[in-house]
Amino acid sequence: KQEVTQIPAALSVPEGENLVLNCSFTDSAIYNLQWFRQDPGKGLTSLLLIQSSQREQTSGRLNASLDKSSGRSTLYIAASQPGDSATYLCAVWMDSSYKLIFGSGTRLLVRP
Amino acid sequence: GAVVSQHPSRVICKSGTSVKIECRSLDFQATTMFWYRQFPKQSLMLMATSNEGSKATYEQGVEKDKFLINHASLTLSTLTVTSAHPEDSSFYICSARDLGRVYMDTQYFGPGTRLTVL
Repeated sequence: KQEVTQIPAALSVPEGENLVLNCSFTDSAIYNLQWFRQDPGKGLTSLLLIQSSQREQTSGRLNASLDKSSGRSTLYIAASQPGDSATYLCAVWMDSSYKLIFGSGTRLLVRP
Repeated sequence: GAVVSQHPSRVICKSGTSVKIECRSLDFQATTMFWYRQFPKQSLMLMATSNEGSKATYEQGVEKDKFLINHASLTLSTLTVTSAHPEDSSFYICSARDLGRVYMDTQYFGPGTRLTVL
């Protein structure tokens, strides 16, 4: 059974810092890996999707990497801003059915 | 971008009543929608896959008679929590895949519905 773990569970940093969020999964036979952002009491916004054949994806200040063999992904946020404060979730796709298995998330607070 | 709405956004009900939550794709068609629940400070857990015109597929451990799903059209799926109890209190989120963008590996999430059962 696939299990997805995110470390740390919570993170507080001053504005401007570069930071790394970690995601690990127990079954390396994944189809895709996706990073989401969730604001309090709200739905999810997709940030980056990495296909199993890819090693990284970039969007603006965000960079996500994937190492399938070791069962790890990282989300790098450069020059963090208070507006980045949210919960970040990683999720794996086990196949093309669009069913996602989520990690428990990292709650990020960027202090002004 | 694609928009998925949910109604209501919040609902408070008494124990024993049934509650219906709607999930709509506003500007695209979705043959498949997904229902998730999220407990406080926990992750999203997939409950079921809603298929237009056919029965929903439930994940292991999810009671199909408790959580009734109807996907009546290409833009609407409903989740009915029957005879709700306090332990059903949770944040319910739906997502939908854009039928017209099957080449894109993505799905769009609704804003969620907060259910509180007294």
